[in-house]
This record gives sequence, structure tokens and C-alpha cells, in this order.
Amino acid sequence: DAGVIQSPRHEVTEMGQEVTLRCKPISGHNSLFWYRQTMMRGLELLIYFNNNVPIDDSGMPEDRFSAKMPNASFSTLKIQPSEPRDSAVYFCASSFDRDLEQYFGPGTRLTVT
Amino acid sequence: DQQVKQNSPSLSVQEGRISILNCDYTNSMFDYFLWYKKYPAEGPTFLISISSIKDKNEDGRFTVFLNKSAKHLSLHIVPSQPGDSAVYFCAARQGNTNAGKSTFGDGTTLTVKP
Repeated sequence: DAGVIQSPRHEVTEMGQEVTLRCKPISGHNSLFWYRQTMMRGLELLIYFNNNVPIDDSGMPEDRFSAKMPNASFSTLKIQPSEPRDSAVYFCASSFDRDLEQYFGPGTRLTVT
Repeated sequence: DQQVKQNSPSLSVQEGRISILNCDYTNSMFDYFLWYKKYPAEGPTFLISISSIKDKNEDGRFTVFLNKSAKHLSLHIVPSQPGDSAVYFCAARQGNTNAGKSTFGDGTTLTVKP
């Protein structure tokens, strides 16, 4: 298996632009997690899905952030409009219900200028 | 309120010696604890876990100790190797189904010097 796939790996955009991050979880996994890593706040959970349904989005910073999981093999995290403070590394992770651990993708490094 | 804390941002040890990484938690409902390792430009990878019914779990050079009364866990790496240099995250969760989420600490950067 190729593992969790994220695209793009790097994204540089200007303030006010829309940004869409993409994630393909490991086949067969039924939970998907979006995290953000910054120096100030560490690794924080933004939202997670179970069986394509959002379970907890309490970590989503504000209405500018939205996430979707239209099917078991694809999820997006959208920021509209983007701001410089959104600059961070965004990780997607997936897992299977009975597993304790999560499998992380390589991350998307987002820079908003 | 940060429920999982790694109070040491960094740790440096000599190759061959023991590395001890510490983690504290506040939520007494947590019953599973995990350690992840992260190399630069990669996502975290699972290293080792422990259930709250145990106080020790060992896997090769890696051992995790849990002190429930103190709400403290530690990861021991013996002997430390340069390839162990990475950021180590402690995580905690409630229940053993993954519909639940893990709460992560901020990480400790371990540097093992040759």
C-alpha cells in the first residue's frame, strides 16, 4: 500500500486566496483525521471523520475552514479566504476502527503571504 | 487547557546511552497512550503504545512506562542510536476504538550524538 497520500506537498499562496488540500487515506481505513502543526500550537486535531461522516469538528479554527469526505477514498480541507496565520504543515491521517494507531501522510506545507 | 504535555522541548544524548522522554496528562479518562516518531518532512509514525491496565510495554530498544497515579508516562530508548534523532510525540485517547480521537503533546526533539 502507498500509505496516506496528500497533495500538494507544498503550497504557497497569497492572502485572500482559496486553498484546497487533498488526502487519500489507506484503503480499508474508515477513520480520517486532519491535523495542523505549528511551532506555537504543536500538533492539533482539526476534524475527524468516521465512515465518511464528520464526528468532531471542534478543532476547526473558524468558518474559513471546511472539510469534506465525499467517499471512503478522498477528503479535502479547504481554507477560504486564506490568511498568513494559516501558514502551517497540515497532516492527514487514517486508521481502522480497531487499531489504536493512526497512519499519517507526509503533510502539506502551506505558506500564505 | 492542554491535556497532554511534554515539558521538555528538546533532549540531547550520546550514542549508546539511554534516552528518556517524558509526558504528563491531566484527563483521568485516558486509557490508551501512544508514542509517535517524526522525521523532518515526513508525517509522524507510530512507535509503541500502552494500555492503562499495564505499567510497562517493551518493544526492542523501546520501553514505555506508565504511572497512572502520577498521570505520567515515559519512553526509554536503550541504547540510543543516531537514527533515533527525531521529534517524539506522546498521544492519549479514551477507549480502544478509533471512532475516538487522540490528543497529542507538543513533541520533544531528540538528538543522539555519535
